[in-house]
Amino acid sequence: EDQVTQSPEALRLQEGESSSLNCSYTVSGLRGLFWYRQDPGKGPEFLFTLYSAGEEKEKERLKATLTKKESFLHITAPKPEDSATYLCAVPPPYDYKLSFGAGTTVTVRA
Amino acid sequence: DTGVSQDPRHKITKRGQNVTFRCDPISEHNRLYWYRQTLGQGPEFLTYFQNEAQLEKSRLLSDRFSAERPKGSFSTLEIQRTEQGDSAMYLCASSPGSYQPQHFGDGTRLSIL
Repeated sequence: EDQVTQSPEALRLQEGESSSLNCSYTVSGLRGLFWYRQDPGKGPEFLFTLYSAGEEKEKERLKATLTKKESFLHITAPKPEDSATYLCAVPPPYDYKLSFGAGTTVTVRA
Repeated sequence: DTGVSQDPRHKITKRGQNVTFRCDPISEHNRLYWYRQTLGQGPEFLTYFQNEAQLEKSRLLSDRFSAERPKGSFSTLEIQRTEQGDSAMYLCASSPGSYQPQHFGDGTRLSIL
């Protein structure tokens, strides 16, 4: 009952090479879609919450967008310090826990 | 905001031993969650507290696992008779309310010899 699917699994970028990560979800009655960044050996760090289709959030070189079936995390002109695993998560219907995707590991080379 | 704190950061133990982990949530957060994460996967839900009440447990949480949150403050997760398959990162998160962002600690890495 995969509710969240992320693609690609891994992304290798050259510094300055913009790209997008995809998060597809299947839950109905979305109560929020959450993006996190995770560095090796650390816990997930909260980035954004999106609650309704059409909503957009930005932070530095990251921009998250939401449609009725998927979310995109756009990385504009990435730097090596943007290298991390990016996770998205949604709460299942009538529930408060988060169901996570497997993540996209982004590597940015200088 | 001191963030979510977990202790210890690393635990190495022999198969069959009992282990206990502690989580101190952000002080004003009444909801506390435990997750488990293995390499290459996203965190998987284990259990959830609202104040001191344990409201949900995953089927992943066998009878060897127990969690408490006395007085609605810190929480402990105990694993009895550890097995090789228990090796993972155990993450704790807290949030101030329903569908609000969950903030994670840096986890406890458990290794079973």
